[in-house]
Amino acid sequence: TQLLEQSPQFLSIQEGENLTVYCNSSSVFSSLQWYRQEPGEGPVLLVTVVTGGEVKKLKRLTFQFGDARKDSSLHITAAQPGDTGLYLCAGVPGDTGNQFYFGTGTSLTVIP
Amino acid sequence: GAGVSQTPSNKVTEKGKYVELRCDPISGHTALYWYRQSLGQGPEFLIYFQGTGAADDSGLPNDRFFAVRPEGSVSTLKIQRTERGDSAVYLCASRPGGGELFFGEGSRLTVL
Repeated sequence: TQLLEQSPQFLSIQEGENLTVYCNSSSVFSSLQWYRQEPGEGPVLLVTVVTGGEVKKLKRLTFQFGDARKDSSLHITAAQPGDTGLYLCAGVPGDTGNQFYFGTGTSLTVIP
Repeated sequence: GAGVSQTPSNKVTEKGKYVELRCDPISGHTALYWYRQSLGQGPEFLIYFQGTGAADDSGLPNDRFFAVRPEGSVSTLKIQRTERGDSAVYLCASRPGGGELFFGEGSRLTVL
């Protein structure tokens, strides 16, 4: 069961453009993580957000957790070809501390 | 090695056969997760172990799927009477007491 819907599913942009990926649910999460996955590899953690309204920045990536802790966004500024990959959000439901449900995924291609 | 190790990396089998997929987690990680991932999609939760016991197996699709972790370290995912629809990448992740999931590179299963 995937509780988290991501949009868009696919995104192809030119190098230097900005983009935003959305992760939405009707459920409340105690924390939410963003992962990036490259072909043939497992997902790798980018960031964890735990507080409603929290904003975290990682170089050109900005992550926000919704006030109600039901949604999140990832914004990339001046995308580079190295940003290409599958971006995944993963939430821990509010009533458990250990279960991770992944989103449907956003496949990003940055064209040089 | 220091990371999560999964074997085999690739498995091709015929419909109706039995398959075992192995996961060797990071030493000392108490939690172990199995996910199934189709191309371009987010990982789908299958089962989660805390120590030797299955804390949540609600994601196993049917009784053909079973997983064990007898000594609280290595885990084996077992699939009986494989079907073509079982074809996917099976990902294993381990986690210390809290924090992020550390993934292996996955086992790609193809059922002909």
